[in-house]
Amino acid sequence: GQQVMQIPQYQHVQEGEDFTTYCNSSTTLSNIQWYKQRPGGHPVFLIQLVKSGEVKKQKRLTFQFGEAKKNSSLHITATQTTDVGTYFCISNFGNEKLTFGTGTRLTIIP
Amino acid sequence: DAGVTQSPTHLIKTRGQQVTLRCSPKSGHDTVSWYQQALGQGPQFIFQYYEEEERQRGNFPDRFSGHQFPNYSSELNVNALLLGDSALYLCASRPGRNSPLHFGNGTRLTVT
Repeated sequence: GQQVMQIPQYQHVQEGEDFTTYCNSSTTLSNIQWYKQRPGGHPVFLIQLVKSGEVKKQKRLTFQFGEAKKNSSLHITATQTTDVGTYFCISNFGNEKLTFGTGTRLTIIP
Repeated sequence: DAGVTQSPTHLIKTRGQQVTLRCSPKSGHDTVSWYQQALGQGPQFIFQYYEEEERQRGNFPDRFSGHQFPNYSSELNVNALLLGDSALYLCASRPGRNSPLHFGNGTRLTVT
């Protein structure tokens, strides 16, 4: 079936270090959305990417969509304790069955 | 403007029982989807409703059913509960296809 693999599953970084999570699919994605879920909370929308090769920035966060629309990345520069949480990508393979990536849990060492 | 609201927040049921969870979408949103999130896992898509009909369905058995009302609110029903149904059930709404999802705080279901 259509799956989106997300790596790494866990990431522990020192505060101030950079962090990157990747979503990979074997089939072309219609678009990709990124969400953040704080511990005990619900997913909150961060960004949506639609175009091949698209790059979007939100302050310290940079989102990229691959040229082949089969992968995407989220990069955080100079992590802060407020960045703690699990980051999910959600893909739409064109059939509107929304598929979550497996998630990357980020913990920050102060 | 209220966001997505879900009720109840917590629920404890016994194996074999039936449960109904409720969701009111954000104002202006007509599409509602449901997700099951087991502890430490990512959310799994159950189904999506639009115009009072189930439009898409994930890999969940028929024990999971739903409904959408004319005011766009929705219910998730689970019959013959199993221990493995214990999870956080999230509802999300959006104003149209490919729009961002707005999630509620979820209902924590425990099956004993």
